[in-house]
Amino acid sequence: ETGVTQTPRHLVMGMTNKKSLKCEQHLGHNAMYWYKQSAKKPLELMFVYNFKEQTENNSVPSRFSPECPNSSHLFLHLHTLQPEDSALYLCASSQVPQGKAENTEAFFGQGTRLTVV
Amino acid sequence: GESVGLHLPTLSVQEGDNSIINCAYSNSASDYFIWYKQESGKGPQFIIDIRSNMDKRQGQRVTVLLNKTVKHLSLQIAATQPGDSAVYFCAEIGTGNTPLVFGKGTRLSVIA
Repeated sequence: ETGVTQTPRHLVMGMTNKKSLKCEQHLGHNAMYWYKQSAKKPLELMFVYNFKEQTENNSVPSRFSPECPNSSHLFLHLHTLQPEDSALYLCASSQVPQGKAENTEAFFGQGTRLTVV
Repeated sequence: GESVGLHLPTLSVQEGDNSIINCAYSNSASDYFIWYKQESGKGPQFIIDIRSNMDKRQGQRVTVLLNKTVKHLSLQIAATQPGDSAVYFCAEIGTGNTPLVFGKGTRLSVIA
C-alpha cells in the first residue's frame, strides 16, 4: 500500500453517463495529480493540484473535470466520454510540488480501470 | 521538446542473472530522475531516484547510473527474481515547476 487510495478500481460507463473517480491520500502531501495510462503509451499527466489549487491542465478535454476540495482528496468528474478515453487513470501525490525541492517522488494509487462503451 | 524514452520495450532475463534497463532523456536541464516499477494491476511504485549532481546511486539489489554527457539513465537489478517481473519506467523532473515526465516503459520478464 502506498497510502494513496483510488475508487472504484474498475468502471464501465456509457458515452452519455456521468461518473466520478475518487482519490484519497493520508500521507500529508500537498500536491496531487491525475495521470492517464493507455496501452503502449507513456503515462500522460492530466492535472496538477498544489495546495488545493489547480496549477496545470495539460490540454485535457473539458469532458474531464477535476475537483480538489482539500489537500487529501481529489476527484475526476467524467461526462460524455469517448471510447478512446478508456484507460487506466492514476492518481498520485507528493510531499511538495514536483520540481520544487528534494524528495519529490510521487506516490501512486492502484488506478481506476475505465472502459467507455 | 522534453522527452523521456526507453531503448527496449521488452527484456527477458534468466532468474539469478543481472538485469539492465536503459533510458534516454533529451532535456539536459533535468535535475531529478526516478525509476518506477509497475506490476500488473497496480500503480507505479518508486524504486530509486538520483539527482543530477550524482552519477551513481545504490539501493537494495538496484543501482541507478546517470550519464549526463550522453543523457542516459540505467537501472541495474542484481540477481533478478521472478518478483521483479514488471514494467519499469524512468521519469525525469526538469528545473522549474515541471512535473514528472515518464518514458514508455520496459517490460521485464524473468525466466525461471
